Amino acid sequence: GAGVSQSPSNKVTEKGKDVELRCDPISGHTALYWYRQSLGQGLEFLIYFQGNSAPDKSGLPSDRFSAERTGGSVSTLTIQRTQQEDSAVYLCASSTGTQETQYFGPGTRLLVL
Amino acid sequence: AQKVTQAQTEISVVEKEDVTLDCVYETRDTTYYLFWYKQPPSGELVFLIRRNSFDEQNEISGRYSWNFQKSTSSFNFTITASQVVDSAVYFCALIEVNRDDKIIFGKGTRLHILP
Repeated sequence: GAGVSQSPSNKVTEKGKDVELRCDPISGHTALYWYRQSLGQGLEFLIYFQGNSAPDKSGLPSDRFSAERTGGSVSTLTIQRTQQEDSAVYLCASSTGTQETQYFGPGTRLLVL
Repeated sequence: AQKVTQAQTEISVVEKEDVTLDCVYETRDTTYYLFWYKQPPSGELVFLIRRNSFDEQNEISGRYSWNFQKSTSSFNFTITASQVVDSAVYFCALIEVNRDDKIIFGKGTRLHILP
């Protein structure tokens, strides 16, 4: 079956602009996660959604970052007023539950000029 | 203190050599899950294995094997007869069931297989 998909695969933007990154989880997966990975670094947790529960936003680095998940499926991560330090790969993952294996998408490479 | 420690930042071996990637974890929970992921140069994280804390049996999958030892809080990963395609960053990870279920990743080990 189809895996996790993310779009766009690459995004170049100018400092100060807003960007939206999209994640399509595996069908039937109730949990969805966003991570950030800076060049050569490990994974930084941003936010996760589990079913209809309130999302865990504890990893969002600032109030410029927000995410929503519509209809329990597709998720959008929005970064407002982008800064150069936001340049990274943004990875999305989904799973059948929060203790289950997470399957990752290919990521969106964001470059803020 | 890190909950998942991958002390080897970078390893280089010659093709066909065996290589072991170390992972040490820290938890007070009796129920937890351990994972290994591979991140090749293309960037996508590929799931390799999930192991629960009650199953200490070692696992072998082709050239890959995993040694889980609760006594030393380690979950090491060995690649036998390494190949160039094994070159990647490998991440070990932990989920503690009685915490917030957030997966905790180690910082990764970058493995170079030299032809």
